[in-house]
Amino acid sequence: NAGVTQTPKFQVLKTGQSMTLQCAQDMNHEYMSWYRQDPGMGLRLIHYSVGAGITDQGEVPNGYNVSRSTTEDFPLRLLSAAPSQTSVYFCASSLSTTGELFFGEGSRLTVL
Amino acid sequence: GQQVMQIPQYQHVQEGEDFTTYCNSSTTLSNIQWYKQRPGGHPVFLIQLVKSGEVKKQKRLTFQFGEAKKNSSLHITATQTTDVGTYFCAVSGGYQKVTFGTGTKLQVIP
Repeated sequence: NAGVTQTPKFQVLKTGQSMTLQCAQDMNHEYMSWYRQDPGMGLRLIHYSVGAGITDQGEVPNGYNVSRSTTEDFPLRLLSAAPSQTSVYFCASSLSTTGELFFGEGSRLTVL
Repeated sequence: GQQVMQIPQYQHVQEGEDFTTYCNSSTTLSNIQWYKQRPGGHPVFLIQLVKSGEVKKQKRLTFQFGEAKKNSSLHITATQTTDVGTYFCAVSGGYQKVTFGTGTKLQVIP
């Protein structure tokens, strides 16, 4: 099993550009989530999903969109990138909200 | 959403010394998880605590859940260089959100 796969691993954007971070899992997990990690601030929840067709906002959702059309995929869209979105992004999945979270390897995004 | 305070933010120890990190919540928690993130890596699940007063051990790591289920600790006995990383607690809050503490970064001096 591949587990949780994130692409790309690295990306540089200019302010105002849009892009999509991809996340896929092959464990048939219902719960998927996106976090951003910034120095000294831990992991902050952006958006999450408890199943296909269901998404909800986390702590820091502004500037990001998500959709969950299948159980496997949970892409994160940056609509108009800003320097404040420079961060490391992690996708995670689990069987339930109270279960062990499995993380992808992360995507390092720099917005100039 | 559910918030947990994690202390300390940083800890430097000599190899062989003990290390403890704490997570504290103002509200009662249904459960708490602990994760370790090696430098440059992704968080990896260590353990989950569910019961009041629960204590679990993994080799040199001891995890404890407070009696009131408002705090938890991770204690490492006789640290080794392989223990280097950031340790996070995570809690399941309202509306099915899983939120993380700010983490404790452990440096082990050989």
